[in-house]
Amino acid sequence: AQSVAQPEDQVNVAEGNPLTVKCTYSVSGNPYLFWYVQYPNRGLQFLLKYITGDNLVKGSYGFEAEFNKSQTSFHLKKPSALVSDSALYFCAVRGSSWGKLQFGAGTQVVVTP
Amino acid sequence: DGGITQSPKYLFRKEGQNVTLSCEQNLNHDAMYWYRQDPGQGLRLIYYSQIVNDFQKGDIAEGYSVSREKKESFPLTVTSAQKNPTAFYLCASSTGAGGRDEQFFGPGTRLTVL
Repeated sequence: AQSVAQPEDQVNVAEGNPLTVKCTYSVSGNPYLFWYVQYPNRGLQFLLKYITGDNLVKGSYGFEAEFNKSQTSFHLKKPSALVSDSALYFCAVRGSSWGKLQFGAGTQVVVTP
Repeated sequence: DGGITQSPKYLFRKEGQNVTLSCEQNLNHDAMYWYRQDPGQGLRLIYYSQIVNDFQKGDIAEGYSVSREKKESFPLTVTSAQKNPTAFYLCASSTGAGGRDEQFFGPGTRLTVL
């Protein structure tokens, strides 16, 4: 069975400060890991993914994520948060064979001016 | 523009009615998916289809039905058997390339039972 945990329901950060959204996962085999962002009453937008290779993955809008196999984590980061980054962020995982994409419960990010 | 469209944006259903949510994509993707989103629960998979004329149940298929007669279209019917259908419904598609591909999402349909 595969699972994803986003331990924080909400993350509050001041504009200009670093932003981190945590994600841990559990799969058998090698994981495919994804981050998505959702603005109110909208669909999800893809930010980045880890399939193989470099542990540091760079994505859209200045976001990056680091794959840590020993800690089974895939935390999303941004060096300097913007008010426009305020949204709901989802981490998702799939096992190496074709399988369902398992989503975390989501983390609400609030960036204050 | 390429993308996924869902209609209607808002849908109201009376108890006992079946309703159908539309999902169309022009991305030439083989795989399509339906998810249900409830507050604090993330996304849960209802049905998915890897190819035309074939589909599989997801984690919460009871009370829902789908068809995949065309590559571009994957409509979802919420039947009267679904006891708590009020939710935000998201359709997605992907190339279906062996699990490495990201899914592209439509804007969603918010269904409310009156």
